[in-house]
Amino acid sequence: ELKVEQNPLFLSMQEEKNYTIYCNYSTTSDRLYWYRQDPGKSLESLFVLLSNGAVKQEGRLMASLDTKARLSTLHITAAVHDLSATYFCAVGNYGQNFVFGPGTRLSVLP
Amino acid sequence: SAVISQKPSRDICQRGTSLTIQCQVDSQVTMMFWYRQQPGQSLTLIATANQGSEATYESGFVIDKFPISRPNLTFSTLTVSNMSPEDSSIYLCSVGVFLETQYFGPGTRLLVL
Repeated sequence: ELKVEQNPLFLSMQEEKNYTIYCNYSTTSDRLYWYRQDPGKSLESLFVLLSNGAVKQEGRLMASLDTKARLSTLHITAAVHDLSATYFCAVGNYGQNFVFGPGTRLSVLP
Repeated sequence: SAVISQKPSRDICQRGTSLTIQCQVDSQVTMMFWYRQQPGQSLTLIATANQGSEATYESGFVIDKFPISRPNLTFSTLTVSNMSPEDSSIYLCSVGVFLETQYFGPGTRLLVL
């Protein structure tokens, strides 16, 4: 059974600081997805990582995938308040069941 | 990408009643899914809605409780039957876009009293 873990589950950080969220999964997969969810809202697709070594960046967020280690990271550079949200990683194929991690609740403090 | 709408956006229901949630997509899609997100929790797949055939349910979810219809490639419904307070959740539909990802609808927030 595929299991997806995230670390940390809660993160308070100050603006302008850097931090990394980790996503581990238990079985082989070369597809990993990152989503953002604001309170009371649905999920917004952030990144789609489709191969080992994939790296994608958008603004202050950068995601990478190491399929051999079964690990993905979401790196936040110089955090700003607007990044406060819950971030989910998910493993699977677009046409099949996505298994979601528990989510990392990020709060960026002034 | 895909634009997805859901109705209703929220509802408050009495125990023992049923609610049908609609999901509409702006383009034809093969893969359509229904998820549940309990308060403060992650997402759990309820079922895959198959066009022209019965839905495929995940472990712990049954057709009698969560009947699903998929009459065409742009529309699906999920019914939450004989509701109890434990069914209070956000229900989300999603669609899988070829070689991309799954896109999610805005969700239906259900409170059962």
